[in-house]
Amino acid sequence: DIQMTQSPSSVSASVGDRVTITCRASQHISSWLAWYQQKPGKAPQLLIYAASSLYNGVPSRFSGSGSGTDFTLTISSLLPEDFATYYCQQTNSFLPLTFGGGTKVEI
Amino acid sequence: QVQLVESGGGLVKPGGSLRLSCAASGFTFSDYYMTWIRQAPGRGLEWVSYISMSGSTVYYADSVKGRFTTSRDNAKNSLYLQIYSLRAEDTALYYCATAEYAVPAATLSFVDWGQGTLVTVSS
Repeated sequence: DIQMTQSPSSVSASVGDRVTITCRASQHISSWLAWYQQKPGKAPQLLIYAASSLYNGVPSRFSGSGSGTDFTLTISSLLPEDFATYYCQQTNSFLPLTFGGGTKVEI
Repeated sequence: QVQLVESGGGLVKPGGSLRLSCAASGFTFSDYYMTWIRQAPGRGLEWVSYISMSGSTVYYADSVKGRFTTSRDNAKNSLYLQIYSLRAEDTALYYCATAEYAVPAATLSFVDWGQGTLVTVSS
């Protein structure tokens, strides 16, 4: 099975900071990766698909990169509404659609 | 707009069964793959299963294979998750979501989510 490992598990940051979250797959997954944001008490929301494509309506301060086994999500300048937990997920439908363990971005 | 409403959760004893439902509206249900994801209290997301547009293909996480059955009724715009032999570790908030299928890569990204239904397994 594919394992998705995120780091760090939590990060403390301030408004205006640049934040980078990494996600490593245990095997090559090409660009089959999505990123989600989840705020407390809410359902997750899709941010990025195909490793680097911004989903409709997602602000451009979010960006994704990587391919193969190593991926990153970058928030260029944190806003108060960005404090949340972020999850990566491998998206190849022939494999288990495994999520990473999550990264909490907190003040 | 897209609306997904899960129901059927509750308190169940270990070994019991439960059927979760997800009522969909605001989009053409039969045009979308659908998926179940769960989240144990205070924990991360765990993908459970997905089902193709027609229902002919269903894929499960190893952790639930053999105990969970996903189905859909396109005439009723509804998705279902039948859970058997419930265990304490099945305690979680269960979400349904639409899954956008991208060709030719055959990838699934989860776009619209419901608010979840809570399943608690305890004696």
